[in-house]
Amino acid sequence: ETGVTQTPRHLVMGMTNKKSLKCEQHLGHNAMYWYKQSAKKPLELMFVYNFKEQTENNSVPSRFSPECPNSSHLFLHLHTLQPEDSALYLCASSPSGTGDNGGELFFGEGSRLTVL
Amino acid sequence: GQNIDQPTEMTATEGAIVQINCTYQTSGFNGLFWYQQHAGEAPTFLSYNVLDGLEEKGRFSSFLSRSKGYSYLLLKELQMKDSASYLCAVTDSNYQLIWGAGTKLIIKP
Repeated sequence: ETGVTQTPRHLVMGMTNKKSLKCEQHLGHNAMYWYKQSAKKPLELMFVYNFKEQTENNSVPSRFSPECPNSSHLFLHLHTLQPEDSALYLCASSPSGTGDNGGELFFGEGSRLTVL
Repeated sequence: GQNIDQPTEMTATEGAIVQINCTYQTSGFNGLFWYQQHAGEAPTFLSYNVLDGLEEKGRFSSFLSRSKGYSYLLLKELQMKDSASYLCAVTDSNYQLIWGAGTKLIIKP
């Protein structure tokens, strides 16, 4: 079983739909992250949870709503998205939020989102 | 502002050596990472440099010069499976990770 698992791998949704992305980590880590990856652009950090508490929200529009029920699970709820939100959404985990173990991140394979 | 620069794309030949450069301007420095990302897959950790010098790990080496704001990833004895994107990222003084846009490496037979 891989360390960080994301579902679904692919999602197509209309602008009025509501959907959720799920991330699960089996590494015993305490920090989890959502990143947005668009073609030829740097990874954009969206949200950080450290010990289930949200510690970072990088000016993300409210149509993206994170949820972290425990340190192993992370959700990204999607509502009334725009076509420009189409991207690969990557989940990652690390032992803790900052500075630990050189800050190495363990990524899931991502959820490819297309908004029509 | 904070910025990481790396070439968009590079091409190299199987069996050869390639060097991927990364320059950075950040608010402070707490380490530099290289990640590898194959198409459709998760980024995976390759190396971490916090002190100046060369870190060698098998066919891959990573170099850092903090005074120049410069790093490179050196790949030797290239194999077809090395075709991937290589992401450079720097941890700033607030331990925020600043990412480059990645370098797509194409290996030709």
